Amino acid sequence: NAGVMQNPRHLVRRRGQEARLRCSPMKGHSHVYWYRQLPEEGLKFMVYLQKENIIDESGMPKERFSAEFPKEGPSILRIQQVVRGDSAAYFCASSPPGGGGTEAFFGQGTRLTVV
Amino acid sequence: QKEVEQNSGPLSVPEGAIASLNCTYSDRVSQSFFWYRQYSGKSPELIMSIYSNGDKEDGRFTAQLNKASQYVSLLIRDSQPSDSATYLCAVGGGGGADGLTFGKGTHLIIQP
Repeated sequence: NAGVMQNPRHLVRRRGQEARLRCSPMKGHSHVYWYRQLPEEGLKFMVYLQKENIIDESGMPKERFSAEFPKEGPSILRIQQVVRGDSAAYFCASSPPGGGGTEAFFGQGTRLTVV
Repeated sequence: QKEVEQNSGPLSVPEGAIASLNCTYSDRVSQSFFWYRQYSGKSPELIMSIYSNGDKEDGRFTAQLNKASQYVSLLIRDSQPSDSATYLCAVGGGGGADGLTFGKGTHLIIQP
C-alpha cells in the first residue's frame, strides 16, 4: 500500500528552463493538492485538483505555473521559465473523496533548485 | 481569504512536561482540523485530526477544538526530545472545494 509518490526528489534547473514535478496519489485517493514551502517558511497552498478538473487554483501564480491531473497517470505541476525565486520544496498531498474535509497525506516532496 | 494563525515560536519545553500548541482560524464554516508534524527537511506527517468540539486523545497527544472561539490546540504529554519538530495546524472546509489551509507552524524544542 504505497503512499503518495513524488518524483523526482531533487531537481536542478537553470534559469529559463522548465520544471516538471510528478505526483501519484495514494490508492483510492481522487483528490490531489500541491503546496510550496519556501526555506524557513510554512506551507502555502497552490492548487487542488480532481481527475481532469482543477477545483481551486487560487494559490497558483498567474504566470508560468500550471497543473493537471489527467484521467490516467500522475498529477503534474509544471513551471515554465524557472527563476531563482522558484527554488523551494514542492509537496503533493492526496485525500480520498470528500475533498477538503478529509485527511490528506503528503508525499516526500520535490526539492527544486534553480541555478 | 482564509487564515490560520499559529505562534511561530520557538516554544521550548523541558523533557517530561506538557507542550501546548495553539491555533486560531478565521473561517467560521470550517469543519475539519488537523495537526501535522514536520521534521526539518522532511514532509509533513499527519498526527491528529478532529472534527467536533471537545477533546480527542491518541496516546500522548490530545487535540482540543472550540468552534465557538475558532480555536484548536494540541497537547503533548510527557514530552520527549523526539517531539522536537515544527507542528502545523491545518483547517479544511466542510466537504467543499477548498484545499487545506495551513498555519505557518510552531517550532517546538524539547530540552533534555
